[in-house]
Amino acid sequence: AQTVTQSQPEMSVQEAETVTLSCTYDTSESDYYLFWYKQPPSRQMILVIRQEAYKQQNATENRFSVNFQKAAKSFSLKISDSQLGDAAMYFCAYRLGGAAGNKLTFGGGTRVLVKP
Amino acid sequence: EAQVTQNPRYLITVTGKKLTVTCSQNMNHEYMSWYRQDPGLGLRQIYYSMNVEVTDKGDVPEGYKVSRKEKRNFPLILESPSPNQTSLYFCASSFNAAQNYGYTFGSGTRLTVV
Repeated sequence: AQTVTQSQPEMSVQEAETVTLSCTYDTSESDYYLFWYKQPPSRQMILVIRQEAYKQQNATENRFSVNFQKAAKSFSLKISDSQLGDAAMYFCAYRLGGAAGNKLTFGGGTRVLVKP
Repeated sequence: EAQVTQNPRYLITVTGKKLTVTCSQNMNHEYMSWYRQDPGLGLRQIYYSMNVEVTDKGDVPEGYKVSRKEKRNFPLILESPSPNQTSLYFCASSFNAAQNYGYTFGSGTRLTVV
């Protein structure tokens, strides 16, 4: 079974600085997708960024970027120029590709605190 | 507006009293799923549905039931709730697995069973 591990329960960052959240996953599959979700205090789950496993290029979305290391099964999220609105829980998630890809497997989450 | 709507947002109930949490999506998604979120465990899948009348168990299905009679609706039923089902519940939907998108989530239901 696939597992996703986020080893940092909480991270703190100064406003305008950069923070990197780590995520590792375990799978024997080659076709899969990886995601980072943000959950602010409103508890809404917001998709931040996604990465297809077959793509070597790391995904970027404005101030959010990932470092995808397929061989190492690592998928870290970098938040640049951190803003107060970035304070939230962040979840890394894995989804198998193809017809069997019906489930997102989540890590335990990392809480990001942003200091003004 | 494309969205997943789940109700209620908050629910407090007593042990053993049957309850239903409703979920509806307006995006014509084939896949729908229920997750529960607990501290330190992230979100875990309870049940999922690949299409109308097609449902299957996720990782933590005990104590829950679902049905998918219409494509847009996917209610979660707790026939005899217990305190260990106190949690934050999310309904989510997606196009079929050929898409590389994650799920679209509802706003969550905070359930407390006393």
